[in-house]
Amino acid sequence: DIQMTQSPSPLAISIGERVTIICRASESISSYLNWYQQKPGRAPKLLIHSASSLQSGVPSRFSGRGSGTHFTLTISSLQPEDVATYYCHQSFTTPWTFGQGTKLEIK
Amino acid sequence: DVQLVESGGGLVKPGGSLRLSCAGSGFNFDTYNMNWVRQAPGKGLEWVSCIGSSGRDRYYADSVKGRFTISRDNAQKSLYLQINTLTAEDTAVYYCAGGPPTPPGTTYQYYGMDVWGQGTTVIVSS
Repeated sequence: DIQMTQSPSPLAISIGERVTIICRASESISSYLNWYQQKPGRAPKLLIHSASSLQSGVPSRFSGRGSGTHFTLTISSLQPEDVATYYCHQSFTTPWTFGQGTKLEIK
Repeated sequence: DVQLVESGGGLVKPGGSLRLSCAGSGFNFDTYNMNWVRQAPGKGLEWVSCIGSSGRDRYYADSVKGRFTISRDNAQKSLYLQINTLTAEDTAVYYCAGGPPTPPGTTYQYYGMDVWGQGTTVIVSS
């Protein structure tokens, strides 16, 4: 199975600051990488698909980059409503696997 | 509105069975690849199973293979998960989630899962 490892977690950032979350795959997954946001008690929400494509309706402060084994999710200017846990997810091969999650908090 | 609504969760004894259901509305259910994803209390997300839009292709996580069966009824816009021989490790919120049609030569989740239900809770306890 492909292992997905996220860092750092947890993460405490000030409002307005830039946030970068890293996700590494145990083997190459091309651009088959998606990012989800999950707020407490809520279902996950797709933010980014195919490594760098912003899902419709998601604010432009979110962006994704990477290919192969190294990927990043960036929030250009952290807003209070961005407090959540973020998961990367490889869709290259079954079993699809998620990272362990990065809990983002306000400093 | 685009919506998925799960049902069928509950408290079940170890070794027992349940059938989870998920009803879709507001989108072309019969073109979507559908999944079950679960989340144990205080833990991360775990993909459980996927079924292609026609129902022909089905995939399972190793942890549930042989015990869980995914199915769908496109006429009813519904997704199902039959779960058997339950153990405490199956205790979780079960989400149904769908992904749009993907290009030939890519996987069923190339565009990710863009529609999610609110989840149904399964508790396995004696």
